[in-house]
Amino acid sequence: DVVMTQTPVSLSVSLGGQVSISCRSSQSLVHNNGNTYLSWYLQKPGQSPQLLIYKVSNRFSGISDRFSGSGSGTDFTLKISRVEPDDLGVYYCGQGTQYPWTFGGGTKLELK
Amino acid sequence: EIQLQESGPGLVKPSQSLSLTCSVTGYTITSGYDWSWIRKFPGNKMEWMGYISYSGSTNYNPSLKSRISITRDTSKNQFFLQLNSVTTEDTATYYCARKGITCFDYWGQGVMVTVSS
Repeated sequence: DVVMTQTPVSLSVSLGGQVSISCRSSQSLVHNNGNTYLSWYLQKPGQSPQLLIYKVSNRFSGISDRFSGSGSGTDFTLKISRVEPDDLGVYYCGQGTQYPWTFGGGTKLELK
Repeated sequence: EIQLQESGPGLVKPSQSLSLTCSVTGYTITSGYDWSWIRKFPGNKMEWMGYISYSGSTNYNPSLKSRISITRDTSKNQFFLQLNSVTTEDTATYYCARKGITCFDYWGQGVMVTVSS
């Protein structure tokens, strides 16, 4: 299985600040078709996970441009700028390149 | 708007079977996409369990292959999870979700299942 490693496990941020979350995969996430199937999800307290970013850097419908994804191969980053209260929760990366699909362990974003 | 809603018992005894239903509205499950079950364990670890495709084919996580079955009722636009021989390690929140080619774009609200005698 592809192991997804997220760092840090938790992160404290001030409102209006910027944070970065790292996600590393144990194998390259470049599919045979040339696409890279790395996604980011946010689970807010008491809610189900929601899709933020797909294929490394594409924002899902309705997602603010304060969220940006980047990376390639095995190394990926989610950046959140101008952090708002509604951004707090647990962030997950996930890969859909190789079965079984797997997720990172999560990064909890909290207020400083 | 596409909505998914899980339902089923919140408590299952060890060695018994866990059965959950995902009801989908706003999209016909035979029109496209893969329809997945994902679970989140206490402590945040998430595991993709398997899917049933729009055509009815299935694909399961090898870690569960001998215990899992995903089926559907197209007349009710529902799909189902059955997990056999559960142990306390199957205690988790279970989500159904729609997966396209690249990602899980719509999720249910989740149902917490505890395995305990």
